[in-house]
Parts: sequence; C-alpha cells; structure tokens
Amino acid sequence: SQQGEEDPQALSIQEGENATMNCSYKTSINNLQWYRQNSGRGLVHLILIRSNEREKHSGRLRVTLDTSKKSSSLLITASRAADTASYFCATDFLSGAGSYQLTFGKGTKLSVIP
Amino acid sequence: DAGVTQSPTHLIKTRGQHVTLRCSPISGHKSVSWYQQVLGQGPQFIFQYYEKEERGRGNFPDRFSARQFPNYSSELNVNALLLGDSALYLCASSLFWGGTYEQYFGPGTRLTVT
Repeated sequence: SQQGEEDPQALSIQEGENATMNCSYKTSINNLQWYRQNSGRGLVHLILIRSNEREKHSGRLRVTLDTSKKSSSLLITASRAADTASYFCATDFLSGAGSYQLTFGKGTKLSVIP
Repeated sequence: DAGVTQSPTHLIKTRGQHVTLRCSPISGHKSVSWYQQVLGQGPQFIFQYYEKEERGRGNFPDRFSARQFPNYSSELNVNALLLGDSALYLCASSLFWGGTYEQYFGPGTRLTVT
C-alpha cells in the first residue's frame, strides 16, 4: 500500500519558475526522502530529512517537514528543462529486527517548458 | 565507481512462465532490496536481503522469491507469471550509515507479460 500521497499529480511550469510538490503520509516516520525518476527508469536520491528536522536545503532544492501535519514539501527553485521528471516522496521504516523498507507515494510528474 | 547494475534491461514473457532478474550492488554494499513499480504508481517493496539473509518481505505472493549470493549480488525470481506482474523491477543496494540505510537504485528491468 502507498504511504505517501503527492500533490499535485502533475505540474507544468515555465523554465525559471519555482516548482512546489507536497507529500502527505499516514504513520510515524524515521526519515522522509525525495527521489527523482526520469522516463520510468531508475530512481535518483535527492534529499533525506530526518523526523527531528524541519527544513533542509541542497542546491536548488528545499525540503520542509511538518510531523504534526504528517506532510512534507519539495521546492525546486529556478527550474530547468532538465528538471522534467517524476518526483516521489518515500518514508522509511527500520524495524528492531533490522528490516528496512521505503514506502513511496504515487509521485508528481513535473514538466518544465523551455 | 560503478553504480547498481541490473540485467536484463527489458524482458518479454508469456503468462505462466518463470523469470529471473539479476542485480549487482555497489561495491561494499551488503544489503540489496527489490521493488516493483507498476506504470503510474510509486515503487512497492518486495524484499530486503542483508548478508545473504532475508530481512524483510513486502505484501507479495509466494510466487515471488529472491536470494543473495556471497558476493552480495541478488536474484529475484517470479513463477507462474501473471499479466499483472508487468512492471519495472528496481533493485537498490544500501549502505547503513547514520542510523539509517542510504539506498541507491539501479536502472531497473522492465518486464512485460503477454
């Protein structure tokens, strides 16, 4: 079952504009991660934010986490055509027995128009 | 350094057949996980292996099995293929760091069942 739900499902913007994607999840988390996927290929890890962090930056990416609302947002500033991809949030779970898994949302499909 | 590699890239099988997918992790990574991604959805966790032992299993039928070899490479086997098994199968190798796993995904194997 999907843990996260991204919003919007699809987003189309002009190059240079900012893109904001939101993610909501249902259960308590250890960490929340954002991934990018180009054309149905492998996932590229973008950023990890821990449950005790509220905001994190990496280059043109800014991620926020609100554990009280069980939500996160990914902001891409000054978008480029190369940012066109699907973006997924994923919550992770590490059990006491050492089992680790990511639970992904359905993703936001971002199109950046040159 | 080489990233996660998967083979084959594409595969077409007929209902009822069996398939084996292969994954080679990043050198030094001892954990391999498998995910299934159906078109339009986020990836879903199938298995995690660590040091050749199964650490976690997702909600998939017994037709799905996997193993990890002494060199940490892994195979995913699916028996009695159904049309619904058509998907992108992603392998991720992991390094345990900072209290969590950092997962690096391969390019995936696209399986089509006809």
